[in-house]
Amino acid sequence: KAGVTQTPRYLIKTRGQQVTLSCSPISGHRSVSWYQQTPGQGLQFLFEYFSETQRNKGNFPGRFSGRQFSNSRSEMNVSTLELGDSALYLCASSFGSGANVLTFGAGSRLTVL
Amino acid sequence: KQEVTQIPAALSVPEGENLVLNCSFTDSAIYNLQWFRQDPGKGLTSLLLIQSSQREQTSGRLNASLDKSSGRSTLYIAASQPGDSATYLCAVGSNFGNEKLTFGTGTRLTIIP
Repeated sequence: KAGVTQTPRYLIKTRGQQVTLSCSPISGHRSVSWYQQTPGQGLQFLFEYFSETQRNKGNFPGRFSGRQFSNSRSEMNVSTLELGDSALYLCASSFGSGANVLTFGAGSRLTVL
Repeated sequence: KQEVTQIPAALSVPEGENLVLNCSFTDSAIYNLQWFRQDPGKGLTSLLLIQSSQREQTSGRLNASLDKSSGRSTLYIAASQPGDSATYLCAVGSNFGNEKLTFGTGTRLTIIP
């Protein structure tokens, strides 16, 4: 059974650029959540998508956005990158029942120069 | 706003010892609490999930307890092994119906052979 796949695993961008990260959930899972992990702030919730709809959103600026496709794959986009956006971005998938049984991907490591 | 704290931030113990990791949360109105481990450069692996109505959960050498009224949880690791070295994170699910987790700051555990 394939796990949660995140691509790319590593990327380097410069300030002002934008980036798109992808997350393919476990087959059958309809919910995808995104988290940002930094040494200073730890793991912070970005947003959750369920059946192509954003169901919950964390406290991040509008530069952070996401979407979910009909096959449950999700993308998140960060526009006008800042140095502080350097982080490990983790996605997690679940059936979406609200039971919090999440399976995490290995993450996408973003470095902003 | 739910806040989750883990103390200590780092812990080193000799192999074979039993140890306890601590997690505290500010809002006792939780749905469940989980303990995860994170290995360097990797995603999160769920270890134990305790529902708000439960007092503890056990899996092998791991035992997690939950005291909602005091806002505390502990993860007990028996007979520690070098392979237990990792960062341990606790996470609180506060609402049924979405998959948002609020994470603690983590404890970096090193088991000394």
